[in-house]
Amino acid sequence: DTAVSQTPKYLVTQMGNDKSIKCEQNLGHDTMYWYKQDSKKFLKIMFSYNNKELIINETVPNRFSPKSPDKAHLNLHINSLELGDSAVYFCASSQGRPAYEQYFGPGTRLTVT
Amino acid sequence: SQKIEQNSEALNIQEGKTATLTCNYTNYSPAYLQWYRQDPGRGPVFLLLIRENEKEKRKERLKVTFDTTLKQSLFHITASQPADSATYLCALISSNTGKLIFGQGTTLQVKP
Repeated sequence: DTAVSQTPKYLVTQMGNDKSIKCEQNLGHDTMYWYKQDSKKFLKIMFSYNNKELIINETVPNRFSPKSPDKAHLNLHINSLELGDSAVYFCASSQGRPAYEQYFGPGTRLTVT
Repeated sequence: SQKIEQNSEALNIQEGKTATLTCNYTNYSPAYLQWYRQDPGRGPVFLLLIRENEKEKRKERLKVTFDTTLKQSLFHITASQPADSATYLCALISSNTGKLIFGQGTTLQVKP
């Protein structure tokens, strides 16, 4: 059983395009996250939702917009993609706050050309 | 500014030896510290959590220490195996924001 799943796994697109990444968790957790891992392997939080409410919103360009239709889903939409957006994006989930233990998805490798 | 530092150089050890990884932090007062394992092309996997009032935590061949005076955590893998080869990430929970802040990770290579 997949705990946290993301689609797509790979995404190659051109600058200026708009794309979305989807995330779903079947763990019954109430909190979900988006992280960005750059080429230097730093994993940085971007957003977090708790029970569909945005609770963490880091300094991220407003071209990035998360949406949580329900507790089990958290999507990430990116407008006007730039070269610097190329990275691996991870979705994660946890139960309760603070996040004692987070479960990560397999990641989406985004390449902007 | 707040910083978490892990040795960016890869750690190479012989199978059967104990691997010791270091995580140092500054300008934090974390209530909890976590260690994750990340394999290439995969998401991080939670290994251990240690609280500020705990000196040491063990799980099978893994041991974590947490010294809030030194602002340091050590992560040990005893009787290391080639299957332990991966990148290990240290993460702190900021008591102010509840956010999980990650170090850049240390890559461990265990040679047979």
